[in-house]
Amino acid sequence: DTEVTQTPKHLVMGMTNKKSLKCEQHMGHRAMYWYKQKAKKPPELMFVYSYEKLSINESVPSRFSPECPNSSLLNLHLHALQPEDSALYLCASSRIPQSPGQGSTDTQYFGPGTRLTVL
Amino acid sequence: QKEVEQNSGPLSVPEGAIASLNCTYSDRGSQSFFWYRQYSGKSPELIMFIYSNGDKEDGRFTAQLNKASQYVSLLIRDSQPSDSATYLCAAVTNSGYALNFGKGTSLLVTP
Repeated sequence: DTEVTQTPKHLVMGMTNKKSLKCEQHMGHRAMYWYKQKAKKPPELMFVYSYEKLSINESVPSRFSPECPNSSLLNLHLHALQPEDSALYLCASSRIPQSPGQGSTDTQYFGPGTRLTVL
Repeated sequence: QKEVEQNSGPLSVPEGAIASLNCTYSDRGSQSFFWYRQYSGKSPELIMFIYSNGDKEDGRFTAQLNKASQYVSLLIRDSQPSDSATYLCAAVTNSGYALNFGKGTSLLVTP
């Protein structure tokens, strides 16, 4: 089973709203990721959690706040977003990479995404 | 900036033909490479990964890696209209975590 689930599938929010995106996996993966994808662009990494600790933050604005409450769950809290933040938000998970070239542990599996529209 | 480069296409092939998708990368430290397929409005779906020089086959798909030339390719045999999608090439960065994606190649398989 290589399933990563995300909720909600679609979200429309105003610039003053607070909302959260949720991601869940039951593959025993200890690395989880948030990506942002704009139309006709590749996914851009936002955050990486390793063993439930934030290990990479790609200079993401503070209006995006990630949280990893346990090894299966990853949240992305949204507050005071801008219309340009409208995008597909993708969650992914993988085993912890052990060493370069270990493709099986590097492999990231993506959830279906949340389509976010900020009005 | 370590780059992964792909021709954006569209690459058009007739049904039943071989589609050849290419990718180059600039970071010699990259070790693992991935091909994802992404349908419009959907999330990336893993097709294959490769980390050893040479060919790796899985059904109709063959990935090829040439580390000396810093080149990765994906061959799709007996292409079907359902293969029409954007194909993303990605390399793992030195951190071991982050995927560095190319911009993707749009493939159109015509009946």
